[in-house]
Amino acid sequence: EAGVAQSPRYKIIEKRQSVAFWCNPISGHATLYWYQQILGQGPKLLIQFQNNGVVDDSQLPKDRFSAERLKGVDSTLKIQPAKLEDSAVYLCASSPGLAATDTQYFGPGTRLTVL
Amino acid sequence: AQSVTQLDSHVSVSEGTPVLLRCNYSSSYSPSLFWYVQHPNKGLQLLLKYTSAATLVKGINGFEAEFKKSETSFHLTKPSAHMSDAAEYFCVVSDRAGTYKYIFGTGTRLKVLA
Repeated sequence: EAGVAQSPRYKIIEKRQSVAFWCNPISGHATLYWYQQILGQGPKLLIQFQNNGVVDDSQLPKDRFSAERLKGVDSTLKIQPAKLEDSAVYLCASSPGLAATDTQYFGPGTRLTVL
Repeated sequence: AQSVTQLDSHVSVSEGTPVLLRCNYSSSYSPSLFWYVQHPNKGLQLLLKYTSAATLVKGINGFEAEFKKSETSFHLTKPSAHMSDAAEYFCVVSDRAGTYKYIFGTGTRLKVLA
């Protein structure tokens, strides 16, 4: 079974530029998550989708971050414009549904460096 | 609101000696609890999870954890450390209310000495 795919793996940009990350979840998984992991910290949930609807985006900085999952499969996360403090690893995860017992499966992440 | 506290940011053990990584949680409801491992430049991998069945949970690579409600703890143990166990370990709580989102601890970096 193929895992969660993410691209690119690494990205370096200047502040105020825009950047986009792509995620393809495990086939058949209804729920998709984007996390931000700052160096030395645990991942923090940015947004959670159930199929193509947003379940939770309470921690997404909506003035600069946006995400979509148009067909309920793959997803993109965009930052525009980027700030220095956005330097982090962006992790995508998927799970079969929304149960508390569901395991989330994580992709390898995209390491973003903002200069 | 739910939360997770990992009591040690760094743990060092000698190869072949036991591993103990400590985790305390706070949850308004009966929680689901997970341990994930993150090797350098790799994604997070599930080690084990507790979902209100047996309180002693066995995971991959010889790890296990015991859910203790009275102590609100979910400590991760392994009888004998291997060099390949060196990594970052995260304790996670998923509350049974709301959107069941994961709340991560701050992580424990395990170092294994030869």
